[in-house]
Order: sequence, then C-alpha cells, then structure tokens
Amino acid sequence: DSGVTQTPKHLITATGQRVTLRCSPRSGDLSVYWYQQSLDQGLQFLIQYYNGEERAKGNILERFSAQQFPDLHSELNLSSLELGDSALYFCASSGAPGADEQFFGPGTRLTVL
Amino acid sequence: GIQVEQSPPDLILQEGANSTLRCNFSDSVNNLQWFHQNPWGQLINLFYIPSGTKQNGRLSATTVATERYSLLYISSSQTTDSGVYFCAVAFSNFGNEKLTFGTGTRLTIIP
Repeated sequence: DSGVTQTPKHLITATGQRVTLRCSPRSGDLSVYWYQQSLDQGLQFLIQYYNGEERAKGNILERFSAQQFPDLHSELNLSSLELGDSALYFCASSGAPGADEQFFGPGTRLTVL
Repeated sequence: GIQVEQSPPDLILQEGANSTLRCNFSDSVNNLQWFHQNPWGQLINLFYIPSGTKQNGRLSATTVATERYSLLYISSSQTTDSGVYFCAVAFSNFGNEKLTFGTGTRLTIIP
C-alpha cells in the first residue's frame, strides 16, 4: 500500500458526460500529480499541484481540469467525455518540490461507452 | 523533452531464471524510478535510483547517470514477477517534476 488513495476504482459512463476522480496523497506530501495510461499513448503526465497551486501542466485536454484543496486532496474533472478518454487515471504524490520519489495510487479505471 | 527507451519490449522466462531490463534516457535526470505494474494495474514502486546501485531481495538496480542508462536485475524469477516493468525519469528544477515513462518491458514468467 503506497498510502495514496483514489476513488472510485472503476467508473463506467457515457459519451458527453462529466466525471470527477478523487485523490488523497500520502500523509505529509504536498505535491499531487495526475497521469493517464491509455493503450495508445502509454503513461502520460497530465498536471501537478503543489500545496494548492498548479505547478506544471502536461498534455492535458481543455475538457479536463483539476484542483488541489486546502486539505491537500485533489480532484480531476473530465467533461464532455469521448470514447478515447477511456483509460486508467493515476494520482501520485511526493514531498518537497525538487527531486523526490513519487508514490502512485491504485488508479481509477474509466470506461466511456 | 526527455526520451526514455526500454528494452527488451517483451521477455518470456522459465521460473527460476534471471533477467536484466534496460532503460536508456536522452538527457540528464535527477529522478529515476522503476515500477512494476501487476496484472491488476497497480503501479508498485521498486526503486528510486537516480544514480548508484540498490538491492531489495531478489531485485537490484544500477543507474549510471553519466552514461544515461539504468538496469533492473531480477534473479530467481517467480510467477508473481510477471507484469510490466516501467522506468520513469525526471529532471526537476523546483519547477516541473513530471515523470516521463518508457514504454515498458512485459515480463512473463512460466511455471
């Protein structure tokens, strides 16, 4: 158990819908990262937050947004869902910014029908 | 951005065999991690090894940062070692700490 929790584990929804994925980092970790794993793109970085502030953005679609709350948990919002958004979404956390080990949650498997 | 290549892409071994997985990266890094993704999809941290050598039971890893590669050694393979092994790297400068992942090595251990 990495100490990073994600809910829900599985999500099945229809095209055009909106979903929210939730992540709680390890106790004491201030950085939260979101990654997407799809069959065609592999594991890709989406976005990073540090202590409530956005720190870095990767190839995140405009239909996707995220935030980190004062209690440090984070949510990833996916809207106007398309079939191609079906993927495994991971949250990771780490301590201070800079070179530091990232620990991954169990992931949320999203299926868009 | 940094490019990460892993080899071989697939590896099929008998139980008890040893294996070496390789990760090459294109630029200087100060974070390198090895992960095992099990059949249930979980990403399990194996090593945080931006340089040097570490060992954990039957697994060990070596990173030669100056030559931009890392090796993961698995000895006396067990069926539970099956899955995909990922190398991921980052160069963080108190800005973007994103990990860039390789495409993985799929390891299958046959009883």
